[in-house]
Amino acid sequence: EDKVVQSPLSLVVHEGDTVTLNCSYEVTNFRSLLWYKQEKKAPTFLFMLTSSGIEKKSGRLSSILDKKELFSILNITATQTGDSAVYLCAVVSIGYELNFGKGTSLLVTP
Amino acid sequence: GAVVSQHPSRVICKSGTSVKIECRSLDFQATTMFWYRQFPKKSLMLMATSNEGSKATYEQGVEKDKFLINHASLTLSTLTVTSAHPEDSSFYICSARATGGLGTEAFFGQGTRLTVV
Repeated sequence: EDKVVQSPLSLVVHEGDTVTLNCSYEVTNFRSLLWYKQEKKAPTFLFMLTSSGIEKKSGRLSSILDKKELFSILNITATQTGDSAVYLCAVVSIGYELNFGKGTSLLVTP
Repeated sequence: GAVVSQHPSRVICKSGTSVKIECRSLDFQATTMFWYRQFPKKSLMLMATSNEGSKATYEQGVEKDKFLINHASLTLSTLTVTSAHPEDSSFYICSARATGGLGTEAFFGQGTRLTVV
């Protein structure tokens, strides 16, 4: 059975801190891994990772994939209160269906 | 990025009635669309995978006669919640995947908040 596990489930940090969110997976016929940010409504796409070891970067966010150890991390540096959200990891497998983790709820306090 | 439009964003209906939710890919063709349901403080739960021109594939535990999915064109999929009950109240989200490519990201609609009274 395909499985996507995110950790931690929740996290509280102060503004300016750096956070690392983890996503490990056991998925048959892996195609890619996606990170989303979800605030009040639908998830917002952040990154798509298909190759191991290549960092994707967007402003203060970055992510990398390790296909040998079957995990990905999402880093957020110099956190701001606007980063407070649930971060979802999803793995695209055979048939292109998305297998979601339970998400990491991040709260950034002033 | 590609735009997926979901309509309506919010709907309130009476118990026993049916509600239709539309999911449109505005600037790309989507051979596959996915329908999700999200319970409060929980992750997205895949309900069904909809392929253009063929029957939807439902996940275990999802009643296909209750949640009717139609993917009549490459830009439109609809989810109809039939004979809605209060327990069907939830946040429903669609996502669409463009044709071709490996590991293509899926783009989400804005979601529909359904309240059954």
